[in-house]
Amino acid sequence: SAVISQKPSRDICQRGTSLTIQCQVDSQVTMMFWYRQQPGQSLTLIATANQGSEATYESGFVIDKFPISRPNLTFSTLTVSNMSPEDSSIYLCSGRSETEAFFGQGTRLTVV
Amino acid sequence: LAKTTQPISMDSYEGQEVNITCSHNNIATNDYITWYQQFPSQGPRFIIQGYKTKVTNEVASLFIPADRKSSTLSLPRVSLSDTAVYYCLVGDTLGGGSYIPTFGRGTSLIVHP
Repeated sequence: SAVISQKPSRDICQRGTSLTIQCQVDSQVTMMFWYRQQPGQSLTLIATANQGSEATYESGFVIDKFPISRPNLTFSTLTVSNMSPEDSSIYLCSGRSETEAFFGQGTRLTVV
Repeated sequence: LAKTTQPISMDSYEGQEVNITCSHNNIATNDYITWYQQFPSQGPRFIIQGYKTKVTNEVASLFIPADRKSSTLSLPRVSLSDTAVYYCLVGDTLGGGSYIPTFGRGTSLIVHP
């Protein structure tokens, strides 16, 4: 199974600032994704991180708010821009092999 | 249209067998059924995957009837540490396709002493 390292594990940020979350996979995966999970809720897909090109965003998520990079097969970043308290959530990175998906431990973000 | 439907919550006691059923009436021919487990403050963890009939591993069993419109995750002799949220997903996971794991609401299992 692939191991996904995500950092930071948690952060408390001031509103109006930005935070970049990093995700490193220990082996090559075919696809990488970013999810958001509100307390007590299921995972909501933010976008698919595409290697070397712009990410594919789901409805309700835009690049200006959540810019994503994926410079190679094993690394991706998600930036939460111009944060507001509504962005307080857990953000999860995921990588998919041919048969299953792997998840990072998540980044717990609190915006004050 | 929801791809999967599961009970929102279940309660059990230590040592009991727990069966969680998931409905996926619109499952496609190439779709596999995958179950994930998520503990608080952790990312989901793969449990088991199957296409038809029965699959068993060291953690759980997965029962899939012939019509594949539902599946049942069976956890034998649960312990307190099995308290978690269990997600059922369907999708074409093999062959390097464009499958994107999409999560429904999941089933919150609470195991009591």
